[in-house]
Amino acid sequence: DTGVSQDPRHKITKRGQNVTFRCDPISEHNRLYWYRQTLGQGPEFLTYFQNEAQLEKSRLLSDRFSAERPKGSFSTLEIQRTEQGDSAMYLCASSYRSNEKLFFGSGTQLSVL
Amino acid sequence: DQQVKQNSPSLSVQEGRISILNCDYTNSMFDYFLWYKKYPAEGPTFLISISSIKDKNEDGRFTVFLNKSAKHLSLHIVPSQPGDSAVYFCAASEYAGGSQGNLIFGKGTKLSVKP
Repeated sequence: DTGVSQDPRHKITKRGQNVTFRCDPISEHNRLYWYRQTLGQGPEFLTYFQNEAQLEKSRLLSDRFSAERPKGSFSTLEIQRTEQGDSAMYLCASSYRSNEKLFFGSGTQLSVL
Repeated sequence: DQQVKQNSPSLSVQEGRISILNCDYTNSMFDYFLWYKKYPAEGPTFLISISSIKDKNEDGRFTVFLNKSAKHLSLHIVPSQPGDSAVYFCAASEYAGGSQGNLIFGKGTKLSVKP
């Protein structure tokens, strides 16, 4: 078990381009979360999956953002028409049950130029 | 409106001494609290947690204290080691309210432990 894996680690893109990030959770974890962290802030919740069902979304998740977890295993987070304000660390986390700690991946650092 | 507040952006402690990191919250419905440690360019790593039915939880050098009436929790690290130097995040959740693990994080406190 190698923990939560995220790919890529870094992504530089131009404003207006689309980007997609991938997260592979710990294999036996059925809950998967996406968070965003900007400089000087703590992680902010974006969305949550239980198996393949997306059960909760934050108001931070604008219509340019979409997340999927098609087979209840890995997840993707896509940002369309990126803006400079999207520059942040995007963190994925997983857990086995709702009242257990979250295990985080190393994150994807997005820079929008 | 910040529901979880870490009012000290940084803390410097001598190796071997106690580090005390503080966290305040405003939502009385929070019933589960966690501390995470984060090194640069890495994701947060879980340290210790406490349920609202307890007022203390201890794990090795780390102890978390919860004062529900004051809506305050603290993390004590004794003795502090240089490897403890990192950013520490306090987080809270409202599991009984069905938040499903949506953690609310503070802004973090950067701890520096000097040899």
